[in-house]
Amino acid sequence: AQSVTQLGSHVSVSEGALVLLRCNYSSSVPPYLFWYVQYPNQGLQLLLKYTTGATLVKGINGFEAEFKKSETSFHLTKPSAHMSDAAEYFCAVSEMDSSYKLIFGSGTRLLVRP
Amino acid sequence: NAGVTQTPKFRILKIGQSMTLQCTQDMNHNYMYWYRQDPGMGLKLIYYSVGAGITDKGEVPNGYNVSRSTTEDFPLRLELAAPSQTSVYFCASTSGPTYGYTFGSGTRLTVV
Repeated sequence: AQSVTQLGSHVSVSEGALVLLRCNYSSSVPPYLFWYVQYPNQGLQLLLKYTTGATLVKGINGFEAEFKKSETSFHLTKPSAHMSDAAEYFCAVSEMDSSYKLIFGSGTRLLVRP
Repeated sequence: NAGVTQTPKFRILKIGQSMTLQCTQDMNHNYMYWYRQDPGMGLKLIYYSVGAGITDKGEVPNGYNVSRSTTEDFPLRLELAAPSQTSVYFCASTSGPTYGYTFGSGTRLTVV
């Protein structure tokens, strides 16, 4: 079974600083990878996904992530944090069997300081 | 185009009561999933379905049941509610991972 590890349950950055949220996965086959964002008391919104092709994936709200097979990583970045980016972020990997189950990391809460 | 609709949004149950969480999607997706979200634990898969009439257990199925009589509906049944089932429940669907997964807005359940 696949698994996802998100390093750091909380990350705090200053407004305007670089955002880096780490995600590592375990998979025996090329995975499909996702980042979701959850604002307080809301559902999950897809930020970006990697399926095939270009390893640098651009998403909404200025976020991007790079799939690095050699490092089994899919870290999420944003050059300049905004107060509105404060939320919880989840990395997920899709099981590549007939179920296509989505396996989630435990999440990282991003705090943005003024 | 409603996407994935979950009802109710909030519910308080007493220990031992039963209830059904409703999930409906209008995108003709074959694959549907139920997750629960607990603080600091991410989302855990309860049950899933790969098509009408087919369901299977996920990581945390105990205390729950599902059915999938139509493509659109995937209700989650809680029998004999326990405090450990206090959580936020999300339903999701997809036509395949290439297209991403669509989530409902969630049901916040408290068992007292």
